[in-house]
Amino acid sequence: EVVLTQSPGTLSLSPGERATLSCRASQSVSSNYLAWYQQKPGQAPRLLIYGASNRATGIPDRFSGSGSGTDFTLTISRLEPEDFAVYYCQQYGSSPYTFGQGTKLEIQ
Amino acid sequence: QVQLQESGPGLVKPSETLSLTCTVSDGSISSYYWSWIRQPAGKGLEWIGRIYSSGTTNYNPSLKSRVTMSVDTSKTQFSLNLTSVTAADTAVYYCARGHWYFDYWGQGTLVTVSS
Repeated sequence: EVVLTQSPGTLSLSPGERATLSCRASQSVSSNYLAWYQQKPGQAPRLLIYGASNRATGIPDRFSGSGSGTDFTLTISRLEPEDFAVYYCQQYGSSPYTFGQGTKLEIQ
Repeated sequence: QVQLQESGPGLVKPSETLSLTCTVSDGSISSYYWSWIRQPAGKGLEWIGRIYSSGTTNYNPSLKSRVTMSVDTSKTQFSLNLTSVTAADTAVYYCARGHWYFDYWGQGTLVTVSS
């Protein structure tokens, strides 16, 4: 199965700053089938990005995804207070679908 | 707006079967794939498997020998059975919609395996 490794484990930033989160796959992700989710405490994950770079419905344009092959990035251009959460990447290029271990974005 | 709601026992004894149901409202269950995903406390997400509205299933090989999923389109529900549970199966279980990625999720239900 494809193992996804996210870095950093924790990212401490301030509102207004730019956040860059990384997701690296153990093998090439077929057709760049990679998604990103945001999860806040006590809530279900929320789909942000699919197909590596396509924003889901209703997702603000400060969220963007990029990358291909084995290296993918989620960028939040200007952090809002509500963006501090845990972020997960997920690959769906091959079964079983797998998730990264998460990056916690915390307020500095 | 599609809404999903998990239901089922919050406590299951070791070696017994975990059974959960997800009810889909404000949307159609037909022509979609539906998945179960779990998350142990403080840990990451694990895809358990998916079922199409026709009943076709795909399971995570790590759980395949213990998992069965079913769908009842007349009740707009789909279900998860996980047999021979152990403490390692303690987690929040989510149902979600999606063939590959998941755009609608239930709120999750905590299932604890303990005697």
